[in-house]
Amino acid sequence: DAGITQSPRYKITETGRQVTLMCHQTWSHSYMFWYRQDLGHGLRLIYYSAAADITDKGEVPDGYVVSRSKTENFPLTLESATRSQTSVYFCASSSSVTPNQPQHFGDGTRLSIL
Amino acid sequence: QKEVEQDPGPLSVPEGAIVSLNCTYSNSAFQYFMWYRQYSRKGPELLMYTYSSGNKEDGRFTAQVDKSSKYISLFIRDSQPSDSATYLCAMSPLQGAQKLVFGQGTRLTINP
Repeated sequence: DAGITQSPRYKITETGRQVTLMCHQTWSHSYMFWYRQDLGHGLRLIYYSAAADITDKGEVPDGYVVSRSKTENFPLTLESATRSQTSVYFCASSSSVTPNQPQHFGDGTRLSIL
Repeated sequence: QKEVEQDPGPLSVPEGAIVSLNCTYSNSAFQYFMWYRQYSRKGPELLMYTYSSGNKEDGRFTAQVDKSSKYISLFIRDSQPSDSATYLCAMSPLQGAQKLVFGQGTRLTINP
C-alpha cells in the first residue's frame, strides 16, 4: 500500500545503546522529516532531507544522525541513547515545502530509554 | 519563550458546540499557517492552511489569521464526537518553509 511507514512502532532500550528508527515512503516524495513529540513541547524538527544525500539540521539535532541514500528511506540513528531521548518519533514526507503540498506523517515510534 | 504558544487544554465541550482553538506566535517572518489534527496513537494530518492573513473556510472548519496581533484561530462549528483529537497549529516563514514550528497542541474532547 502507498504511504509512509515507520518501524518499529515500539522500542525499549538502555542508555548508551545505539538504536535506529526506520522510515519508508512509497510516494517518491523529495522531502522527508524527523520530529520528536514530547509533552509540553509539541512536535520539534530533528533533521530533514530535501533529496537523496542532502540532509540538514532542524531545531533539536544533537545526539541524532540521519542518512538518505535512497529517496524512499530516511533512517534516524541515536548513536548513544540517553533518557532524555525517550519520546515519540514521527517521520513525515512531502513533495514540496508549500502548505498546499502538506507533510504526510507516519504513525510514530514510541521509544523508551531505560 | 517559545516561538509558538498554544494552550494545551484539555478542552471538553458538548456535541454541537462551537469550538475555538488559538495560537499566538512571536516570529513576524511566519507566512504559512496550518492546523493539524492528531488522533490518539496516530500521526498528525493537515486540516487547513492559510497563507499570510485572512480567513479560510472548509465545511465546519474556519481558520483565521491576524498577523497584526500574531494570533491564529481555528473554529469548529457543530462539533461532533469524531472531532475529538489533539489540534496542533504550525507555521513557517516563506524562506525556509520546510522548517515548520508547531504549537504544543490542544487536546479536545466532544461529549455526546
